[in-house]
Amino acid sequence: GAGVSQSPSNKVTEKGKDVELRCDPISGHTALYWYRQSLGQGLEFLIYFQGNSAPDKSGLPSDRFSAERTGGSVSTLTIQRTQQEDSAVYLCASSLQGLAGYEQYFGPGTRLTVT
Amino acid sequence: SQQGEEDPQALSIQEGENATMNCSYKTSINNLQWYRQNSGRGLVHLILIRSNEREKHSGRLRVTLDTSKKSSSLLITASRAADTASYFCASIYNQGGKLIFGQGTELSVKP
Repeated sequence: GAGVSQSPSNKVTEKGKDVELRCDPISGHTALYWYRQSLGQGLEFLIYFQGNSAPDKSGLPSDRFSAERTGGSVSTLTIQRTQQEDSAVYLCASSLQGLAGYEQYFGPGTRLTVT
Repeated sequence: SQQGEEDPQALSIQEGENATMNCSYKTSINNLQWYRQNSGRGLVHLILIRSNEREKHSGRLRVTLDTSKKSSSLLITASRAADTASYFCASIYNQGGKLIFGQGTELSVKP
């Protein structure tokens, strides 16, 4: 079946603009995660959705970052007033359940460049 | 920092040799997973080892876990050029599934 898909694959934006990144998880997966990968910080957890529970937002670096998951499926990560330090690859993953023993399937990522 | 540490940061070997990568983490874990990444995009799950397991095998992969030392190792036997990639360990600390990644080891296997 189809894997996790993300769009766009690349995004270049000017400092101060807002961006939206999209993630389509594997059908039937109840858990969805956002991570980001940058040269300076490595791979970092951002936010996690599990079913209808309140999301775990503990990894979001500032209040300029937000995410939602509509209908328990597609998720959008929004970054407002982008800064150059937001440049990174943003990775989405989904798993059958949001529990520790379940494998996470990653999408190909969105490379964000803030100029 | 969220992350644990991995060593070496980079490893270059000849095809057919074994590659060993090490990972340390910070607090008690639920389980530890290893992922592979090619070309800086898309992570692929390799193997998961639970906190009550000491060793696990999958094909040419062997993972060990030492909870007393808070460390894990990944051994790739009889390496191939196609194994060239970055390898990350990722730990899970509680019942929630969020992964805390190590800094990664960049493996280069020369034909």
